[in-house]
Amino acid sequence: GDQVEQSPSALSLHEGTDSALRCNFTTTMRSVQWFRQNSRGSLISLFYLASGTKENGRLKSAFDSKERRYSTLHIRDAQLEDSGTYFCAAEVQGTGSKLSFGKGAKLTVSP
Amino acid sequence: EAAVTQSPRSKVAVTGGKVTLSCHQTNNHDYMYWYRQDTGHGLRLIHYSYVADSTEKGDIPDGYKASRPSQENFSLILELASLSQTAVYFCASRGGCAETLYFGSGTRLTVL
Repeated sequence: GDQVEQSPSALSLHEGTDSALRCNFTTTMRSVQWFRQNSRGSLISLFYLASGTKENGRLKSAFDSKERRYSTLHIRDAQLEDSGTYFCAAEVQGTGSKLSFGKGAKLTVSP
Repeated sequence: EAAVTQSPRSKVAVTGGKVTLSCHQTNNHDYMYWYRQDTGHGLRLIHYSYVADSTEKGDIPDGYKASRPSQENFSLILELASLSQTAVYFCASRGGCAETLYFGSGTRLTVL
């Protein structure tokens, strides 16, 4: 079964608003990465986390350091260019670097 | 910025034919991955490798073979292409377990 569950699967925001995406894991993960896929299909890395939080501009991500069973991606002051599909990918502990992806969250930001 | 190059960018194949997708990285990365993307399924791991001349099965390896002849090159081989293998295929690489994954631009494969 799927080890990485993303929610929501789709989200619509107005410019200037805030929101959050979440990934839940069915088992303990060693690390998590967040990606954005643009309209051309390119996958761009946003964050890599082994624990704690990271912030880059209006984006902030956190990885539950205690249980290692979920991660979040917060988007502050959403802009049109934030539109795209967001994926999280997690690495199961003890699997020799196997990375499994969630099904993605399609974000649409409108004026 | 790490560079991962996939070829071809798109391909049309016939059912039962052999297809080879190629991936090349110039960043001295040990780990390389092949994923397929289908609408509604996100990215699913087919095969991966963490050293030349060795490959590992991912979550959906059936119908696919992989080859890692060198650190830079990682190929995905469909010996007998089927309609269900129509998808976009992504190659990715990273330097180590605790490092960022970098993706190629993808190969759109259509099997007729």
